[in-house]
Amino acid sequence: EVQLVESGGGLVKPGGSLRLSCAASGFTFSKAWMSWVRQAPGKGLQWVGRIKTKTDGGTTDYAAPGKGRFTISRDDSKNTLYLQMNSLKTEDTGVYYCSADVSTVNDNWGQGTLVTVSS
Amino acid sequence: EIVMTQSPATLSVSPGERAALSCRASQSVSSSLAWYQQKPGQAPRLLIYDASTRATGIPVRFSGSGSGTEFTLTISSLQSEDFAVYYCQQYDNWPRTFGQGTKLEIK
Repeated sequence: EVQLVESGGGLVKPGGSLRLSCAASGFTFSKAWMSWVRQAPGKGLQWVGRIKTKTDGGTTDYAAPGKGRFTISRDDSKNTLYLQMNSLKTEDTGVYYCSADVSTVNDNWGQGTLVTVSS
Repeated sequence: EIVMTQSPATLSVSPGERAALSCRASQSVSSSLAWYQQKPGQAPRLLIYDASTRATGIPVRFSGSGSGTEFTLTISSLQSEDFAVYYCQQYDNWPRTFGQGTKLEIK
């Protein structure tokens, strides 16, 4: 059974930093493109970014809101995905989901971790 | 960035009836279109990918159609568990963008 478990969320002040983790199991992590998607309270889904497999170059792409502030990385030896978030803004508040392209696009999701940016 | 527009924002349908949800892309996304269901407090769940292919374990009452810029998700006979928010998402171009969602509510 595929499992994605996010952690690392919490309360942080504007301008602060936070690192989220996503522990994966039940599939070959190194072969899956991985993404972060967020959802502000009461709002819709928004892409944060994606990292390809090392076989596909390991490259990352970011949506505009996080570009230059967010960094996605992966540790295939630990089956873990990361999202480093710097210079956080109040509008970054929301639930952050990790998602895996296991058999097809975004067919598996974690339950999310809540990030609250507030003074 | 490709803009995805869903309509209507809210759809009220009685159980047992058919529901049709629309999604329009600001430019062609070929068949690179997925549909997700999200219930309160839960993660999104993939229903349809490649515009018309049901994901693993998805009931046959869910079907997707369309290509290019116009897409439809049809639920043939609504069950109580189908009342939720539905999102379309294109993955033809980066960033993968979502529509704003359609809330399917009980009439």
